[in-house]
Amino acid sequence: DAGVIQSPRHEVTEMGQEVTLRCKPISGHNSLFWYRQTMMRGLELLIYFNNNVPIDDSGMPEDRFSAKMPNASFSTLKIQPSEPRDSAVYFCASSLGGDGPLHFGNGTRLTVT
Amino acid sequence: GESVGLHLPTLSVQEGDNSIINCAYSNSASDYFIWYKQESGKGPQFIIDIRSNMDKRQGQRVTVLLNKTVKHLSLQIAATQPGDSAVYFCAENIGQGAQKLVFGQGTRLTINP
Repeated sequence: DAGVIQSPRHEVTEMGQEVTLRCKPISGHNSLFWYRQTMMRGLELLIYFNNNVPIDDSGMPEDRFSAKMPNASFSTLKIQPSEPRDSAVYFCASSLGGDGPLHFGNGTRLTVT
Repeated sequence: GESVGLHLPTLSVQEGDNSIINCAYSNSASDYFIWYKQESGKGPQFIIDIRSNMDKRQGQRVTVLLNKTVKHLSLQIAATQPGDSAVYFCAENIGQGAQKLVFGQGTRLTINP
């Protein structure tokens, strides 16, 4: 089992640029989650999908953030335009429906200068 | 125990000793709780979970205790090893159906040789 795969592992970009983070969930898992981790705020849920449908996006900071899940094996989190305060580690996680723990990828460390 | 703030609570334990990490959760309606371990540069890794209809659950070298009366969760690690050094997070499920986990701020556990 390859686990949750995220890319890139590191992303450095300039303020104003578009950033796209990618995630491949564990095969067979039908729930997918995007989290953000910072020293100040810890781990925060941004959005989650169930069967490729967004269920709760109340954690998305603002309209600059968007997430898609075009199929069961791929999701993207996009920030446009990016700002320095978006700098954080972004984690993707997946789970088998509503029962069972989340399994996390190793994250994308985003730095916006 | 865990607290909201900029500084992670820390716990130092001698190798071979037992450790106890505490967590206070906020929502009395939460029905599912998980402990995660996070090593530097990696995503949170599932350790053990417990549902609200249980008080105790044991795994390999780990035990989770749940006290719903005082909304308290603890993780006991027996015979600690150097590889147990990490940040430990408790998480509570506040959502219906698919997991909507809210994470604590974490406790840094250091195992001294």
